[in-house]
Amino acid sequence: SYELTQPPSVSVSPGQTASITCSGDKLGDKYACWYQQKPGQSPVLVIYQDSKRPSGIPERFSGSNSGNTATLTISGTQAMDEADYYCQAWDSGGGVFGGGTKLTVL
Amino acid sequence: EVQLVESGGGLVQPGGSLRLSCAASGFTFSSYWMHWVRQAPGKGLVWVSRINSDGSSTSYADSVKGRFTISRDNAKNTLYLQMNSLRAEDTAVYYCARVGAMVHAFDIWGQGTMVTVSS
Repeated sequence: SYELTQPPSVSVSPGQTASITCSGDKLGDKYACWYQQKPGQSPVLVIYQDSKRPSGIPERFSGSNSGNTATLTISGTQAMDEADYYCQAWDSGGGVFGGGTKLTVL
Repeated sequence: EVQLVESGGGLVQPGGSLRLSCAASGFTFSSYWMHWVRQAPGKGLVWVSRINSDGSSTSYADSVKGRFTISRDNAKNTLYLQMNSLRAEDTAVYYCARVGAMVHAFDIWGQGTMVTVSS
């Protein structure tokens, strides 16, 4: 079965750039998307089709996907961006999620 | 307002059954593929099942295949998940989620319903 691998945690200082990676076999041949989940809340889509932002998502969120790695980048990270982030792709009729990355803003 | 509202969660003994419901509003439910995603306490998101827009095609994660059944009633704008032979490892918050036709991603999520399998 297809697997996506994320680092368990990433730390960033306020105002700096945070990068969260997601690795999978030939992931660049698929579309990757990213979800933000804050404690006690449902996930929110922040990036779809590798690099597109849904309406209402700040411009500081961006994405890329090439080779075996997709990357979520948050520029000018704010305290409100502290959350768990999950990558996701499609495989064999079902969804596949990465294990999630806890982003700490400190 | 586009909304998904899950219900039906609760405490059930191992080997028992439960049916989850997800009521959709604010969009044309019959036009969208729908999914169930679960999250065990303190763990990550796991895809469970999906159904196409008219209910003629379904797919399941290996961990629930043969035990769970996804279905929908487009006249009632409702998605279902029938869960049988429940195990402790099925304990999780269960979310229903819509796959947006243009975004091909989970663009709308419900608030989730908690299922606890324990004796």
